[in-house]
Amino acid sequence: DQQVKQNSPSLSVQEGRISILNCDYTNSMFDYFLWYKKYPAEGPTFLISISSIKDKNEDGRFTVFLNKSAKHLSLHIVPSQPGDSAVYFCAASENAGNMLTFGGGTRLMVKP
Amino acid sequence: EAGVAQSPRYKIIEKRQSVAFWCNPISGHATLYWYQQILGQGPKLLIQFQNNGVVDDSQLPKDRFSAERLKGVDSTLKIQPAKLEDSAVYLCASSLDRHNYGYTFGSGTRLTVV
Repeated sequence: DQQVKQNSPSLSVQEGRISILNCDYTNSMFDYFLWYKKYPAEGPTFLISISSIKDKNEDGRFTVFLNKSAKHLSLHIVPSQPGDSAVYFCAASENAGNMLTFGGGTRLMVKP
Repeated sequence: EAGVAQSPRYKIIEKRQSVAFWCNPISGHATLYWYQQILGQGPKLLIQFQNNGVVDDSQLPKDRFSAERLKGVDSTLKIQPAKLEDSAVYLCASSLDRHNYGYTFGSGTRLTVV
């Protein structure tokens, strides 16, 4: 029973263009959502988060959108850079700091 | 600030053998987590500690997996005996407390069971 799903295993984008990574969830009790970035042979690093009381959170080139009615969130990276090439995980929590439920990840490749 | 330290980085064992992983969280972080990441999947929580007490171990296969955090600082995760399906990266993470947003993960231990 996958409560958090990332249906695109990979995404390829040209440098300078927008990258859009999608995530869907099924548990309506989730109230906090996070995105992590993972490079090979490293642990995931926290990127950006959003509380369920918001529908958008922005941090530099990264913006996360939350659509609670659709149980869908997305991460926008504008402009995309080759250094953004990594695996991106969506995660959700029912309570802040409680256990995170991760999606399967999307591998982003930004081509120069 | 030093990050979450894990060792070893890699381990290859035969099935039915035992293995142990070590984690030293960021200083002052009360909450410690062990996650299992199987290739191609997202990390899955195995166990969560608050100081030296277990908060959640509902997804820990207790017939073969055990974990401890005796002094509320570093932690060990043990598998005995290992199965082929235990091949994965074992990630340790820590946070200031249970209500802290966003963990800091270590680099993980890649276990291969042959």
